[in-house]
Parts: sequence; C-alpha cells; structure tokens
Amino acid sequence: EDQVTQSPEALRLQEGESSSLNCSYTVSGLRGLFWYRQDPGKGPEFLFTLYSAGEEKEKERLKATLTKKESFLHITAPKPEDSATYLCAVQARGTSYGKLTFGQGTILTVHP
Amino acid sequence: NAGVTQTPKFQVLKTGQSMTLQCAQDMNHNSMYWYRQDPGMGLRLIYYSASEGTTDKGEVPNGYNVSRLNKREFSLRLESAAPSQTSVYFCASSGSSGGLGNEQFFGPGTRLTVL
Repeated sequence: EDQVTQSPEALRLQEGESSSLNCSYTVSGLRGLFWYRQDPGKGPEFLFTLYSAGEEKEKERLKATLTKKESFLHITAPKPEDSATYLCAVQARGTSYGKLTFGQGTILTVHP
Repeated sequence: NAGVTQTPKFQVLKTGQSMTLQCAQDMNHNSMYWYRQDPGMGLRLIYYSASEGTTDKGEVPNGYNVSRLNKREFSLRLESAAPSQTSVYFCASSGSSGGLGNEQFFGPGTRLTVL
C-alpha cells in the first residue's frame, strides 16, 4: 500500500529564516510526486511535479527535490505570505487512473 | 479561465436529506475526481471519472453516487446524508488519467455539515 508521511506536522519560522519540509514515501514504483499549497478555506494549489530521483524544481522562494525515498521542499528566506499548509502526494506506476496518495500536510507559519 | 468551480460553497443538511454537489472545469481535462478532506485523515478519493462516460469508485465511495454529465461537469450526490459525511469536499481535474502531466487542479471546496 502506498504511504506518504510528512514532517514536521507544524513549523514556525521567522521571516527570512530558511528551512525544509520533508515528505517520505513508500510506493510500488513512483510515477510522480506532487507538491501542493493549501491556504485556509481554499482548495489545494498545484506547485510542482517531480518524476525521478535527482530532479529539482524551483518557484520563487520554493525549491523541491526528490530522492528514491523522500522529497524536500526547501523554503529560502520565507515571507509571511508563504504561510500555508503544504501537501505532498504520490502517484504509483500501474494505476489505471490518476490515483494520488496524500500526506497529512505540514502547517507552515512565517512570522514577520 | 475559471479553472475548477464548485457549488455550493457551504451547505447544512439534516440527517437523511439528499443533495448534489456540482463541479465544472473549463480546462478541457479528461479526468475528474471527488475528494473529501477531514482533520487527521488527509484528502481521500471518493469517486473518479477517467474520461467522459466512465466513473469508478475510489477509496471511500459508500454513501455517494456520481454523474459525469459531460466532459466539463462531474456531480456528487448524497442520497441520505449522515453526520459522518460532514466534511470539506473538493473536486479536481487533470488532463490525463495516468500519463505524465497528471497534475490535478482543485476547486475551492464545499463545506458540508450534516446535523
């Protein structure tokens, strides 16, 4: 069974204090790993897709990396507007549809 | 483009009442999904439609039915609502059901309370 575990559950940072969120996964052959941002009261917003170990993608202050067992979302010099819940999801090879297995999320709070 | 839209945004039902949640996408996507999000449980797939004319059960389908009305619209029906169905419901769509580029794009959600 596919599993995704995100850590920490919650992270508080000061503005400008860089850090990383972790997503550990177990899947029977990875097709893709997805990162989403979710603001309170809203739907998840797509950020990145990673397909193979060693791949990296960047968007503004966010950088996602992937190994064979985990993914990191690095946040460089965060701002208060980066506060949100960050969700990680995996899709396994061989699924006949776009089944995603989600982690519980990391709640990020950035204080000014 | 509006992306994925959902109606209503909020709903309160009494146990045993029925209702339909509506979802539409304007991205010409083939696949559409219904999820529920509960505290401590994450996002769980209720039903999906890989393409127009097909629907299938996800992880937690009991108590729900779906209709893929056309390529744009995918509705979720609760025939006899129960308090356990109190949740936030999200609709999502993706360009393909299993190939690369299978990013799913989510709607704003419907917050449902069953008393």
